[in-house]
Amino acid sequence: AQKITQTQPGMFVQEKEAVTLDCTYDTSDPSYGLFWYKQPSSGEMIFLIYQGSYDQQNATEGRYSLNFQKARKSANLVISASQLGDSAMYFCAMREVNRDDKIIFGKGTRLHILP
Amino acid sequence: NAGVTQTPKFQVLKTGQSMTLQCAQDMNHNSMYWYRQDPGMGLRLIYYSASEGTTDKGEVPNGYNVSRLNKREFSLRLESAAPSQTSVYFCASSPLANLRNEQFFGPGTRLTVL
Repeated sequence: AQKITQTQPGMFVQEKEAVTLDCTYDTSDPSYGLFWYKQPSSGEMIFLIYQGSYDQQNATEGRYSLNFQKARKSANLVISASQLGDSAMYFCAMREVNRDDKIIFGKGTRLHILP
Repeated sequence: NAGVTQTPKFQVLKTGQSMTLQCAQDMNHNSMYWYRQDPGMGLRLIYYSASEGTTDKGEVPNGYNVSRLNKREFSLRLESAAPSQTSVYFCASSPLANLRNEQFFGPGTRLTVL
């Protein structure tokens, strides 16, 4: 069965430091996509970054990058130079098109940026 | 474009009552999803629909039914609400099945079952 694991329920990080949020996944499908979303306290879901299983390079989007280690089934989100506005819940998600477009999420990590 | 809309935003039910959560998207997306979000549990997939006329069970389908009325609308029905169904419900949609396409989420419905 598909599974997404985020082992860090909460993290506290000093402003301007880099932070890594962990995500491991389990799938038998060779073709899949991995997503990270941010959910601020206001509740909306904001798409951050995507990594495909066949992508040769790690994805980057501004201050966000994805440390993709396929053999370890790991897709960690790295936020460089953290800001107070980065305080939020962060969710990792996986999509397998061969499963009729099913997309499942991990339990999330609540990130607190300290001034 | 309104994106993904959900109604109602808030609802309080008594145990045993029924209700339907409505979701609509105006982006011509093929895939639609219903999730529930509970503290410490993340987003759990209830049902999803890869195209008009098809629906599939997700991780936690018990106690729910869905209808993909047309390409735009995907409703979630609670036939006999239970306190365990108290949650925030999110509807999402995504374009034609392509690994790179992210989901677009509605604002959520906060449901309390007494």
